[in-house]
Amino acid sequence: NAGVMQNPRHLVRRRGQEARLRCSPVKGHSHVYWYRQLPEEGLKFMVYLQKENIIDESGMPKERFSAEFPKEGPSILRIQQVVRGDSAAYFCASSPQTIHRDEQFFGPGTRLTVL
Amino acid sequence: KQEVTQIPAALSVPEGENLVLNCSFTDSAIYNLQWFRQDPGKGLTSLLLIQSSQREQTSGRLNASLDKSSGRSTLYIAASQPGDSATYLCAVRPNTNAGKSTFGDGTTLTVKP
Repeated sequence: NAGVMQNPRHLVRRRGQEARLRCSPVKGHSHVYWYRQLPEEGLKFMVYLQKENIIDESGMPKERFSAEFPKEGPSILRIQQVVRGDSAAYFCASSPQTIHRDEQFFGPGTRLTVL
Repeated sequence: KQEVTQIPAALSVPEGENLVLNCSFTDSAIYNLQWFRQDPGKGLTSLLLIQSSQREQTSGRLNASLDKSSGRSTLYIAASQPGDSATYLCAVRPNTNAGKSTFGDGTTLTVKP
């Protein structure tokens, strides 16, 4: 069984460009969570999605950030007009369909560097 | 709002020593608590998951305890090895319909040969 896949693993963008981060959950999981880790800090929750629905986006910055989890394909975290403060590691986690409070399985992360 | 604190922020010990990492949380209404290991520039490796009804979990040289009423968990590492050097994170999930985890900032452990 493949675990949570994230790509790209490393992403470099210049200020003002767009960043697209992809997450493919564990096969059969329909709950996806995105977390951000700034240098020397723990992970901070950003958004929780189910297929085609945003359940909780209380951790998402109000502007420039958006997330989706379409019926087909990976979940996408999109950051428009990136700034240096967006440089961080972005982790995706998934959990099983029926019990959303089960163990979360984490991907390897995408490390975004904004020049 | 749940807050998770890990003390100490950094710890350095000689090889072979037993050690304890601490995690405290402010809201005891949790569903589970999970300990992770993170190596520099890498992702998270799950070490132990304790459900709210459990008091402890063991895996090899690792033992995690949970005292929900006092909002504390400890990760005990026996006979530490240089390969144990990493950052250890604890995370709690709430006993509500919101499934997100709240993480501590981690304890960075260095085990000297």
